[in-house]
Amino acid sequence: DIVMTQSPDSLAVSLGERATINCKSSQSVLYRSNNKNYLAWYQQKPGQPPKLLIYWASTRESGVPDRFSGSGSGTDFTLTINSLQSEDVAVYYCQQYYSSPLTFGQGTKLEIK
Amino acid sequence: QVQLVQSGAEVKKPGASVKLSCKASGYTFTSYAVYWVRQAPGQRLEWMGWINDGNGATKYSQKFQGRVTITRDTSANTAYMELSSLRSEDTAIYYCARGALFGASHFDYWGQGTLVTVSS
Repeated sequence: DIVMTQSPDSLAVSLGERATINCKSSQSVLYRSNNKNYLAWYQQKPGQPPKLLIYWASTRESGVPDRFSGSGSGTDFTLTINSLQSEDVAVYYCQQYYSSPLTFGQGTKLEIK
Repeated sequence: QVQLVQSGAEVKKPGASVKLSCKASGYTFTSYAVYWVRQAPGQRLEWMGWINDGNGATKYSQKFQGRVTITRDTSANTAYMELSSLRSEDTAIYYCARGALFGASHFDYWGQGTLVTVSS
């Protein structure tokens, strides 16, 4: 199984500042034949299901604000949230869909400082 | 608009089974796979299995193999997930989600979740 490890477990960032969340996979999720990284990011607010933010490691889902961006390749990935807004308080998860079983990171809790 | 509406909360005793439903609307049901993911208290999201578009073939996580069955009723645009031999560790919120791709996928729409509590 591919193990997804996020860091940090939690972080507090001031409004208007940048938040950076990391995700590391235990093996590469880059499929060389199409040069795509099978990595997604989700946002989950209390009492709600997860919401897709980013897929293919860096493609923003329709309707997601452009302050959210994803980067990385192979085994190391980053979710960046620029100009943090109060509504961005949530838990963020990465997920690999390179191979079964599909696996998620443990989550990163983002709060306002 | 795409919606996945799940059945209501369940309370079950250890050893029992539970069958949850997920009714889809706003898209062609047989054109997308439906996945089941659970979230136990304080635990990470955990993929359980999927039923694919087209022929309705299923794939399950090894962790749940033998205990989970995913089915669908295409006439009702509804997918089902049955989990048997329940134990306290199965207490969780169970989500259905639509797969954006054929096969292993990320999830572009999610149901609201169903809380299953297993307690004697």
